[in-house]
Amino acid sequence: GAGVSQSPSNKVTEKGKDVELRCDPISGHTALYWYRQRLGQGLEFLIYFQGNSAPDKSGLPSDRFSAERTGESVSTLTIQRTQQEDSAVYLCASSLGPGAQNYGYTFGSGTRLTVV
Amino acid sequence: KQEVTQIPAALSVPEGENLVLNCSFTDSAIYNLQWFRQDPGKGLTSLLLIQSSQREQTSGRLNASLDKSSGRSTLYIAASQPGDSATYLCAVPTSGTYKYIFGTGTRLKVLA
Repeated sequence: GAGVSQSPSNKVTEKGKDVELRCDPISGHTALYWYRQRLGQGLEFLIYFQGNSAPDKSGLPSDRFSAERTGESVSTLTIQRTQQEDSAVYLCASSLGPGAQNYGYTFGSGTRLTVV
Repeated sequence: KQEVTQIPAALSVPEGENLVLNCSFTDSAIYNLQWFRQDPGKGLTSLLLIQSSQREQTSGRLNASLDKSSGRSTLYIAASQPGDSATYLCAVPTSGTYKYIFGTGTRLKVLA
């Protein structure tokens, strides 16, 4: 597509429920990144995909968080048994090449997750 | 470990002023530097991408410069407008990695 698309744009969920957040990167972008931004804070790296593989998952905060990518396209970030501290904006970005070295990132609009 | 600092943290100016936002980073072995704009409750919009071999990039009223050796970048906004009000973030990937490290941003308010 023309840009990075994320859905849903807003999600309110009850504590303890599972949620899935979706990211559609720009067509042809092999690299995909997930970041989290808590209210009033900076961007926190979560995970990086190159193709369908995730060589760096070091930012996932706990085993309740997982992500996958299929067809070198769509990625899904899943949070199980959500907690209130998971409330944040989840941002997805894609990049043309392996890594951000020469191409920079294009971000989606984010998913605002609120856990009540 | 790469650290990115942005000064000032917040800035309020009257419409029409020219202004400079600063970004500094501790590891100068970077491939590029990217400036983003973030509106409240929204994602990030890319403004300018400067490759390590470049000294500056321009887009409309925006000009970004890069001095790798001193670990600094500046974003110059000419003739500021109320629509420029947003948070401005700079980000760099560290050599040998693929992750952008983000500064904490400068929150800009342009008063009509």
